Amino acid sequence: GAVVSQHPSWVICKSGTSVKIECRSLDFQATTMFWYRQFPKQSLMLMATSNEGSKATYEQGVEKDKFLINHASLTLSTLTVTSAHPEDSSFYICSARDPGQGLYEQYFGPGTRLTVT
Amino acid sequence: RKEVEQDPGPFNVPEGATVAFNCTYSNSASQSFFWYRQDCRKEPKLLMSVYSSGNEDGRFTAQLNRASQYISLLIRDSKLSDSATYLCVVNEASGNTPLVFGKGTRLSVIA
Repeated sequence: GAVVSQHPSWVICKSGTSVKIECRSLDFQATTMFWYRQFPKQSLMLMATSNEGSKATYEQGVEKDKFLINHASLTLSTLTVTSAHPEDSSFYICSARDPGQGLYEQYFGPGTRLTVT
Repeated sequence: RKEVEQDPGPFNVPEGATVAFNCTYSNSASQSFFWYRQDCRKEPKLLMSVYSSGNEDGRFTAQLNRASQYISLLIRDSKLSDSATYLCVVNEASGNTPLVFGKGTRLSVIA
């Protein structure tokens, strides 16, 4: 199947700093990528839909000024957590669909575990 | 509003057992359905799609009842390696829309 990578796989940062997470589709071009967040023992919650060349679409309750999304190319979307706080500590996962494989199956990156101290 | 609901679990079963997971979804216009598997601290991985006619992949059988808005997953002859969280996932529209995930059901297969 298609491959999606994320970097870094884990990061520890101090409260008040910003962290950038990269999501790349390695063998296909993705006009749309999705960013999810998962707290321990909770389900994946969609944060935003990242659209190449345009603004991201954020879910209700997700602060767009805090979680900056940039989808500058067909293979790269970035999520920047600005002024991180301990409550932002979570597992962040991106996903994308490979148009060549049909529109329904999503491929997930391996996730980024963020810990804010 | 809970869009996709699953058995809360956890399910603790012996090796070789048959175990069934159930799931209901609230949006009757949902287009496609999946079971994903998620191991601890890992990303979800597609286990199988679910079709109206039902489908089987080895020890795994998935069923969909659109009238009842109900999805099931049956695992036969459980293996230790089946231990994971199983996520019921729904695509509520056609096109490039995000998936909606249930909270998942934790399965532990015990030797």
